[in-house]
Amino acid sequence: GAVVSQHPSRVICKSGTSVKIECRSLDFQATTMFWYRQFPKKSLMLMATSNEGSKATYEQGVEKDKFLINHASLTLSTLTVTSAHPEDSSFYICSARDLRTSDHEQFFGPGTRLTVL
Amino acid sequence: SQKIEQNSEALNIQEGKTATLTCNYTNYSPAYLQWYRQDPGRGPVFLLLIRENEKEKRKERLKVTFDTTLKQSLFHITASQPADSATYLCATSSGGSYIPTFGRGTSLIVHP
Repeated sequence: GAVVSQHPSRVICKSGTSVKIECRSLDFQATTMFWYRQFPKKSLMLMATSNEGSKATYEQGVEKDKFLINHASLTLSTLTVTSAHPEDSSFYICSARDLRTSDHEQFFGPGTRLTVL
Repeated sequence: SQKIEQNSEALNIQEGKTATLTCNYTNYSPAYLQWYRQDPGRGPVFLLLIRENEKEKRKERLKVTFDTTLKQSLFHITASQPADSATYLCATSSGGSYIPTFGRGTSLIVHP
């Protein structure tokens, strides 16, 4: 099956620093990647959709200057949380699809737990 | 916009029994409905997808039904095992938009 990795799995940083999270599709080409955040016992909240080689589309209420997304290749997308604050602490999950072949299922990464002190 | 409703209360069942989880959607009939499993601190794992023109789909011990009249999908795990304990998420997507809408998930606890 399709495998998506995320790195790092866990990060603790000081308030004001920037954190980069990588999402890679290991055995398929991801034309589209999604970034979600999830609070405890809550549903996945879609933050943005990124297509390879083009700018990300952000959901309403998500600051694009705060959460920088780059999808430079068919196997890698990055999310950078700039000037992180404690309220940015959350579980960030990426998912990937190959729109040319997949049947609407998404393949998720294992998630990144961000804690901002 | 689409709203997905899943029972927020945990479902507790005995090992060997069949677990049945419910997913209701409120607005338009989705072209696709998907079920995912999520373990604590992990990303969701895709389980099954069913299309709007399909009534039922099976995969090993899993069965999904899709009733567009009731606007509901049922997810069954037969011969449940403690290892099936997890949160199960329902998601819908339309044919025009490939972006799914997720429910909050229902926690399943299978007792030995």
